[in-house]
This record gives sequence, structure tokens and C-alpha cells, in this order.
Amino acid sequence: DSGVTQTPKHLITATGQRVTLRCSPRSGDLSVYWYQQSLDQGLQFLIQYYNGEERAKGNILERFSAQQFPDLHSELNLSSLELGDSALYFCASSVRGGDSTDTQYFGPGTRLTVL
Amino acid sequence: GENVEQHPSTLSVQEGDSAVIKCTYSDSASNYFPWYKQELGKRPQLIIDIRSNVGEKKDQRIAVTLNKTAKHFSLHITETQPEDSAVYFCAGPLGDDKIIFGKGTRLHILP
Repeated sequence: DSGVTQTPKHLITATGQRVTLRCSPRSGDLSVYWYQQSLDQGLQFLIQYYNGEERAKGNILERFSAQQFPDLHSELNLSSLELGDSALYFCASSVRGGDSTDTQYFGPGTRLTVL
Repeated sequence: GENVEQHPSTLSVQEGDSAVIKCTYSDSASNYFPWYKQELGKRPQLIIDIRSNVGEKKDQRIAVTLNKTAKHFSLHITETQPEDSAVYFCAGPLGDDKIIFGKGTRLHILP
């Protein structure tokens, strides 16, 4: 157990809908990262937050948004869902965040299925 | 373009043999090179990392070697066992403040 929690574990929804994925980082970690992993694909970096502020952006669609709250938990919002958004969404956390030597610890993931 | 390239994408080895996965990177700002293992349906987990200019680090059957001049680092698994079957990801520096993951190597341990 990495100490990073994600809810829900599974989510099934329909095209056009909006969902929210939640992540709680390890105690003491200030950074949260979001990744998308489609079937048999690698980890696509979406976005990073550090201490409440957006720190880095990857290949995140405009339909997706995220935020990090004062208690450091983070939410990833996915809207106007399409079939291709079906994937495993991972959250990771690290102590710092402005440092490429920072170890990332992954949560168990949320499996999103769009029907 | 691609900042971290990982090879091979799939690797099958006989149980008991060694497996080697290699990654190359383009940015040279960092001294941190982690490897993650992801079992089917589970989270990626850090299995080993190297944080210095030292060329090699070992942890039981797993080792990572780093060649900063050539900008590549490798994961070595010796005496492979069935539980080593998984997808392995390397990660390398992207500038001073970020890491980027390779596309992964699916390792099959054959009985």
C-alpha cells in the first residue's frame, strides 16, 4: 500500500456525461500527478499540482480539468465523455514537485468505462 | 519528440534466465532514474532507482546501470521467476523539474 488513495475504484457512465475522480496523497506529500493509462498503453501524464497550484501540464484535453484543495487532495473532472476516454486513471504523489529527482507513489487507480 | 525511449516493448525469457530492459533519454539535467513495475490491473510500484553518478545499484536480483555519457540506463533482472512477469516502466528527466515515463516493456517469464 503506497498511502495514496483514489475513489471510486470503478466508474461506469455514458457518453456525454461528466465524472469526478478523487485522490488523496500520502501524508506530507505536496504534489499530486494525474495519469491516464488506456488498454495496453503507457502512462500518459495529464497534469500536476503542487501545494494547490498547477505545476505542469501534459497531454490533458480541454474537456478535462483538475484542482488541488487546501487539504491537498485532488480531483480530476472529465466532461463530455467519449468512448475513447475509457481508461485507468492513476494519481501519484510526491513530497516536493519542482524537482525531477522526486519519487512518485501511485494510487490504486480508477477504472473508467464509458458506454 | 520522444524524451525517454524504452526497449524492447515486449520481452520473453525462460524462467531462471536474465532479462535486460534499456532506456535512453535526451535531457541530462537529472541524476534520478527510477524503474516501476506494474502487475496486471495494479498500480505501478517503484522497484529500484538510482540517484547519483554511480554506475550501478543492486537490490537482490534487480540492478540498474547508468551511463550518463551515453544517456542510457538499464534494468537487469537475474534468475527470473514467474512473479517477475509484469510491465516495467523507466522514467527519465524532462528538464530540471519533471520526469517522463517510457512506454513500458511487457516481460513474460516462460516456464
